[in-house]
Amino acid sequence: ELKVEQNPLFLSMQEGKNYTIYCNYSTTSDRLYWYRQDPGKSLESLFVLLSNGAVKQEGRLMASLDTKARLSTLHITAAVHDLSATYFCAVRRTGANSKLTFGKGITLSVRP
Amino acid sequence: NAGVTQTPKFQVLKTGQSMTLQCAQDMNHNSMYWYRQDPGMGLRLIYYSASEGTTDKGEVPNGYNVSRLNKREFSLRLESAAPSQTSVYFCASSGAVNTGELFFGEGSRLTVL
Repeated sequence: ELKVEQNPLFLSMQEGKNYTIYCNYSTTSDRLYWYRQDPGKSLESLFVLLSNGAVKQEGRLMASLDTKARLSTLHITAAVHDLSATYFCAVRRTGANSKLTFGKGITLSVRP
Repeated sequence: NAGVTQTPKFQVLKTGQSMTLQCAQDMNHNSMYWYRQDPGMGLRLIYYSASEGTTDKGEVPNGYNVSRLNKREFSLRLESAAPSQTSVYFCASSGAVNTGELFFGEGSRLTVL
């Protein structure tokens, strides 16, 4: 059974500072995804990481994947209030025909 | 730019009632999914359909049935609703062979009294 763990589950961030959140998974995977969800809204795709060492950046967010460590990190540079949301990682087990397993999500709150 | 459309957006049921959640996508995707989201639990897969004509159980299928009506539509039915099925339900589709990325609907909030 594939398990996806995210930590911490809640993070209070100060505006302007840098932070890193983590996603660990328990078995071999060929795809890792990051999604963002605002309260009461749907999930929006942020990044798709397809291979070991993959790095993707969008604005203040940068995601990376280490398949050997079964770890993805999401780095936040100079946090701003607009980044307050819940962030989910999801993993597709190798050969699992697109079925994704989600972590429980990390809720980020940016304070002045 | 409809993408994935779910109906209804809100529904209140009494225990034992039945209902069907409808989902349609206009992106010509092969695969469709139903997830439920509960506080602190992330998203859990209920059923999925890898292609038209096929359906498979996910992590939490008990109490649900699905129908892949055609390539566009994938419905989720609760035959006899229970309070434990109070949740937010998301339909998603995927057609990107290389990435497997999911595209989500807006969600359907169901309350079972």
